[in-house]
Amino acid sequence: DAKTTQPNSMESNEEEPVHLPCNHSTISGTDYIHWYRQLPSQGPEYVIHGLTSNVNNRMASLAIAEDRKSSTLILHRATLRDAAVYYCILKETSGSRLTFGEGTQLTVNP
Amino acid sequence: DVKVTQSSRYLVKRTGEKVFLECVQDMDHENMFWYRQDPGLGLRLIYFSYDVKMKEKGDIPEGYSVSREKKERFSLILESASTNQTSMYLCASSVENRGEQFFGPGTRLTVL
Repeated sequence: DAKTTQPNSMESNEEEPVHLPCNHSTISGTDYIHWYRQLPSQGPEYVIHGLTSNVNNRMASLAIAEDRKSSTLILHRATLRDAAVYYCILKETSGSRLTFGEGTQLTVNP
Repeated sequence: DVKVTQSSRYLVKRTGEKVFLECVQDMDHENMFWYRQDPGLGLRLIYFSYDVKMKEKGDIPEGYSVSREKKERFSLILESASTNQTSMYLCASSVENRGEQFFGPGTRLTVL
């Protein structure tokens, strides 16, 4: 399985944008890039996913580099409730498995 | 909204006991998954199922078995619990060949 690399931790201030990076230099042409987050004492929740083009939804935006070797999850205005561990995961087109890494612990300061 | 429920939030068992962890989803999803989560090791896939009575081993199946008799229910079984199975257990479900997995709240199992 192709691997992802994320910083262990990041900090942000409330109401400021947050850019969470992910490197995936061995990504294959058919791998989707998925992001999940896990709030304290909860199971992970889906945030967003994409293949080649940038994606937006109500939770976040996903910016994918042209060579697809990196991506960035963008939270446009961080709130205290966005404090969580964010996981960047590569998923093969076929199949349903997700392989979670250690993720990035995001701290949001008031 | 998709709902994945797990039978207990907290469970304490003794070494050697048989333990059943139950997971139910209400969205008619084909796929169901069991993970365990430990500090420093992240989430690791134990078993998954893509249909009733079908199962596949994940990355760490040793010491566990599963049962899926009905589409909505996926059970994780510890035949003889050991202290190294103390962990947070998370169940998830997804539509066939779609990436988005929906997770339950987790069961924190302690084996004494």
